[in-house]
Amino acid sequence: DQQVKQNSPSLSVQEGRISILNCDYTNSMFDYFLWYKKYPAEGPTFLISISSIKDKNEDGRFTVFLNKSAKHLSLHIVPSQPGDSAVYFCAATSNTGNQFYFGTGTSLTVIP
Amino acid sequence: GAGVSQTPSNKVTEKGKYVELRCDPISGHTALYWYRQSLGQGPEFLIYFQGTGAADDSGLPNDRFFAVRPEGSVSTLKIQRTERGDSAVYLCASSLDPAGPTPIFGPGTRLTVL
Repeated sequence: DQQVKQNSPSLSVQEGRISILNCDYTNSMFDYFLWYKKYPAEGPTFLISISSIKDKNEDGRFTVFLNKSAKHLSLHIVPSQPGDSAVYFCAATSNTGNQFYFGTGTSLTVIP
Repeated sequence: GAGVSQTPSNKVTEKGKYVELRCDPISGHTALYWYRQSLGQGPEFLIYFQGTGAADDSGLPNDRFFAVRPEGSVSTLKIQRTERGDSAVYLCASSLDPAGPTPIFGPGTRLTVL
């Protein structure tokens, strides 16, 4: 039972344009959400997070939006750079649990 | 150390053998997690330690899997009677404490069971 879903396995974007990666979740108890970036042969690297008390969090080129009513979050990268090419994982947890639930990832390719 | 380290980086074994995978968390991090990532999937939770104790082992798939963290620092994931379906990347992560839930992941150990 996949509680966090990333329905787009891949995405290609031109350098300089916006990349939008989407994530849906089913568990209404989730209250903290994270995005990780993963290069081949490396572990996931934390990118940005958002608490359920917010609907937006911004860090440089990266912004995460949370829509609690739709149980949906998205990661915006603008402007996209070739070095952003990686697999992006969405993850979620609740303050009553210890697990982080991950989506299956979206492979982003930024074309120079 | 500066980050989470895992050894070995790669492990090839034969079906039925026993393997141990080691994780060195970031110094001072009390929370430690093991995850498993199969091809085309996201990381899947196995077990969580708070200090020396396994606070949540609900993700361990069966009794062939066991993990320890005897001194609250280094952790070892042990797999008995390995099966081909155990082949995956095993990821370890640590965080300062559960209240600051941003786990920092190690590079993983790629386990291949022939």
